[in-house]
Formats: sequence, C-alpha cells, structure tokens
Amino acid sequence: DAGVTQSPTHLIKTRGQQVTLRCSPKSGHDTVSWYQQALGQGPQFIFQYYEEEERQRGNFPDRFSGHQFPNYSSELNVNALLLGDSALYLCASSFQGRETQYFGPGTRLLVL
Amino acid sequence: AQSVAQPEDQVNVAEGNPLTVKCTYSVSGNPYLFWYVQYPNRGLQFLLKYITGDNLVKGSYGFEAEFNKSQTSFHLKKPSALVSDSALYFCAVRVDSNYQLIWGAGTKLIIKP
Repeated sequence: DAGVTQSPTHLIKTRGQQVTLRCSPKSGHDTVSWYQQALGQGPQFIFQYYEEEERQRGNFPDRFSGHQFPNYSSELNVNALLLGDSALYLCASSFQGRETQYFGPGTRLLVL
Repeated sequence: AQSVAQPEDQVNVAEGNPLTVKCTYSVSGNPYLFWYVQYPNRGLQFLLKYITGDNLVKGSYGFEAEFNKSQTSFHLKKPSALVSDSALYFCAVRVDSNYQLIWGAGTKLIIKP
C-alpha cells in the first residue's frame, strides 16, 4: 500500500518564476491538504482540497493556488515566486479531511 | 486565535530514562490533538492522537500522551528513551468545526547514549 507521494523532491527556481508541485494521496484517501514548513518552524496550513474543490484556506496570498483531480491527486501552484517562498512543502492526505492526516516526504523549494 | 505552544526548543535525555515533551494548546471548541515526529530531510510521521475517551493515549514506538483538559495540555511521554527516538517532535491541534491543523514550533529531542 503506497503512502503519500510527492514530486519533485527538490526544486530550484528564481524570483518571479512559477512552480507546480504534485501530490498523490494514500490509497483510500480523498482529501489533500498542503502545508508550508520554513526552516526551524512548524508547518503552516495553505489549503485543503476535497471533492475537487478548495474547502478551506489558510493565510496565504492568491499567488498560491491548487487543484484536485478526479483521482484525488493534487497540485500546488505558486506564481511570482519570492525569496520567502523557499521552504519544504508538505502534502497530507486523509479521509474526508476529518481523520488523521498522513504526510508525504515533501518538496524542498529554493528560490534564488 | 487558536494556538499550540511547545515551550522547550530542545529536550535532552539519557538513553533508558523516561522522556516528556510538553505541549499546551488554546482553542475555541473541542480539541483534536496530534503528535508527529520528523526525522532530518523527511516528512512528518504520525505518532498518536486524542479525539475523545480515555485521557491516556498510546501510540507508535512505545510513545503515549496524556490529555489534560483543565491544564489544556497534551504532553508526549515514553517510559524508556532510545537513541533512535532522537528527532523533531511536533504537537498539532484541530477543532471539530475546522479542517486545518495548527502546529507548535517543534521540540528537538536528543537522546544521549
């Protein structure tokens, strides 16, 4: 049984560019949440997708957007990258968003 | 505002001794509490959770946590620490009316042989 997978593992971009991160949930899960974890800090909630809709959003600007596909996989898009967007981006999946969230290994984004 | 506090940036314990990692929370509503562990350059791994019922919750790798409603705490414990328990530990909380997890800043646990 595959757990949560994320791609790519690492990414280097320059300021102003756009990036897309991908996540496949654990088998049987239908909800995907995205978090940003800056170095030395706890994760910060970006948003959660359920039934292909953004169900809840944290305190992140509109530059951060997402999508969920019919197979429950998800993408996180970040436009107009800033240096401060450098972080570990974590995807978590759960069943209907109310149960335990299981995390993928993360994508480490470096913005130069 | 909802928040989680982990008052210790780092906890040092000798191998074989009991360990405690502290967590307190502030929420409006009934809390759902979680502990996760993060190893270097890895994602977060679920350890245990409190939803309702018995205040003492047992989880993976011999860890347990005690929910204390009056003190709004959810401390993580283990009777006998292993060197392999050395990692970064995060406490998180969610309330029933909300889908997002609110996280503490993390506590680095160092177990010395």
